[in-house]
Amino acid sequence: GNSVTQMEGPVTLSEEAFLTINCTYTATGYPSLFWYVQYPGEGLQLLLKATKADDKGSNKGFEATYRKETTSFHLEKGSVQVSDSAVYFCALSGRSGSARQLTFGSGTQLTVLP
Amino acid sequence: KAGVTQTPRYLIKTRGQQVTLSCSPISGHRSVSWYQQTPGQGLQFLFEYFSETQRNKGNFPGRFSGRQFSNSRSEMNVSTLELGDSALYLCASSLAGASTDTQYFGPGTRLTVL
Repeated sequence: GNSVTQMEGPVTLSEEAFLTINCTYTATGYPSLFWYVQYPGEGLQLLLKATKADDKGSNKGFEATYRKETTSFHLEKGSVQVSDSAVYFCALSGRSGSARQLTFGSGTQLTVLP
Repeated sequence: KAGVTQTPRYLIKTRGQQVTLSCSPISGHRSVSWYQQTPGQGLQFLFEYFSETQRNKGNFPGRFSGRQFSNSRSEMNVSTLELGDSALYLCASSLAGASTDTQYFGPGTRLTVL
């Protein structure tokens, strides 16, 4: 079945540092890939997505590229801010049938210090 | 456009009781999915409804059930509550539930079973 492996946290960075959160996946066919962010006491918000190989998703300074050859979708940001502190989830959605639901990684807690 | 709404936001129940959670999707969205979030198991898919029909179901016991109404609103029910059912229950809606569709999440219902 589908699975997502995400970098273990927690991750603590200083403001303006570079961020990378690794995500690799296992899936049959060509899944769609997502990064969601969850702030304390809230639901999940879509951060970015990519639906085919070599697509780059980007939003609010975050980027991730769909790499089929390495089955990866690593999240990057060049300069993090205190307001980026949250839990980040990598997820995939399969192409058909029962695979179509979102399968999530375990989440990475990010804390950015001023 | 209003986002996904979930009611109630918080619930406290005792073992053996049953509970019903409600979800109103974004206007025009026909697919509604439910997820359970716990610290130990992370985010797990419960089921998905589209046009009042359950299309997919995750690996949960039959005590977990749901339905969708003609206006796409959805409810999930948990009968004979157990302590382990304490979790954040998240509802997500999308246009048609395709793998490339973005699922938009509500704020969740926090269920505590005593």
